[in-house]
Amino acid sequence: IQLTQSPSSLSASVGDRVTITCRASKGISHYLAWYQQKPGKAPKVLISTASTLQSGVPSRFSGNGSWTDFTLTITSLQPEDFATYYCQQDDTYPLTFGGGTKVEIK
Amino acid sequence: EVQLVQSGAEVKKPGESLRISCKGSGYIFTNYWITWVRQMPGKGLEWMGNIDPSDSYTNYSPSFQGHVTFSADRSISTAYLQWSSLKASDIAIYYCARRNRGLDVWGQGTTVTVSS
Repeated sequence: IQLTQSPSSLSASVGDRVTITCRASKGISHYLAWYQQKPGKAPKVLISTASTLQSGVPSRFSGNGSWTDFTLTITSLQPEDFATYYCQQDDTYPLTFGGGTKVEIK
Repeated sequence: EVQLVQSGAEVKKPGESLRISCKGSGYIFTNYWITWVRQMPGKGLEWMGNIDPSDSYTNYSPSFQGHVTFSADRSISTAYLQWSSLKASDIAIYYCARRNRGLDVWGQGTTVTVSS
């Protein structure tokens, strides 16, 4: 199953609302997770099963969607949110990641 | 504290063998699959496959099948990723991660450099 993220990069300002899309080539129910990765660090899970916020993750992050279309939204971008975001499907082997979305400072 | 601790950076020559490790602590190691993820320099995340530490059942991505081997020693809560013959294209950071509705705990990554 291929995961297509869009956009591949974006520039935004602190306080902006940002939405990243992940589209699956086949239906994956709600088995999608979102990760944040900062340079030189391991990825960190933000959301699992499409919309479940992981413990300790700020509430400005939210996930939505099912089957083939999913979104990650950051309601008010903070300086520490500038990073690369990946989606990953956990439904069908081989499991796969999206190509990533780099969120940069405008 | 739940954590995965990986072995240190490696520098190898093409054709050499290598095994890197991922040690779990703070949880019951056999209750969760361990996933391996590759990140080549400047690139995205690639799912390599996973292993069930309770019985060493494995799943491999077709992209990696036949080139790497996963194993686990549940007596010491450690998973392994192994190459029998490294290539220059194996240069990357390799992460292990615990599968729990997504990948909820990650190792710090092991950098593998292959150079003649």
